[in-house]
Amino acid sequence: DAGITQSPRYKITETGRQVTLMCHQTWSHSYMFWYRQDLGHGLRLIYYSAAADITDKGEVPDGYVVSRSKTENFPLTLESATRSQTSVYFCASSPAIGYTFGSGTRLTVV
Amino acid sequence: EDQVTQSPEALRLQEGESSSLNCSYTVSGLRGLFWYRQDPGKGPEFLFTLYSAGEEKEKERLKATLTKKESFLHITAPKPEDSATYLCAVQAGEYGNKLVFGAGTILRVKS
Repeated sequence: DAGITQSPRYKITETGRQVTLMCHQTWSHSYMFWYRQDLGHGLRLIYYSAAADITDKGEVPDGYVVSRSKTENFPLTLESATRSQTSVYFCASSPAIGYTFGSGTRLTVV
Repeated sequence: EDQVTQSPEALRLQEGESSSLNCSYTVSGLRGLFWYRQDPGKGPEFLFTLYSAGEEKEKERLKATLTKKESFLHITAPKPEDSATYLCAVQAGEYGNKLVFGAGTILRVKS
């Protein structure tokens, strides 16, 4: 199926553990993005990528790592999870103008 | 500093009661203004893109307009299924292809 998919849908992890959130798109869009959504803050950009092997920081990158070895995949890794990283994470892709979002991953760090 | 502010934070309407949501922005070099709808537990869903002041776009009961400082999302004769969070975002020259989002307006339409 064409589209953008995120996995897992829900994740509970412990403080200090490494966790990776996956994002896959089927359109070969150049741009991909990771946002987190929190009450009172709206959507905030974590990292983005303009093409394979090109990534850059967004507004709130601390504690996160990304990679993009293939155009279609853009995983987000929390190196050592903290409770402040409890949030809903959205991946998005874009050909140039406008985004299409995935369904999100709800991450809880206990 | 570039900012996007949406108002009101929440809005309750009776079915059929028309109203407007506001998105005011302060950016350098606006490339596009976007409206998204978000249902609980789902990702934002694209509604409209506006590029220049004076532009208007419509979709069913929704109409989006743009001025040099703000955008309005007009909802005409809303139905309960229009209940959602409506997000405004801007794509500005300083940010390249990145979107900066407002905090959203939560709309509830009661029958």
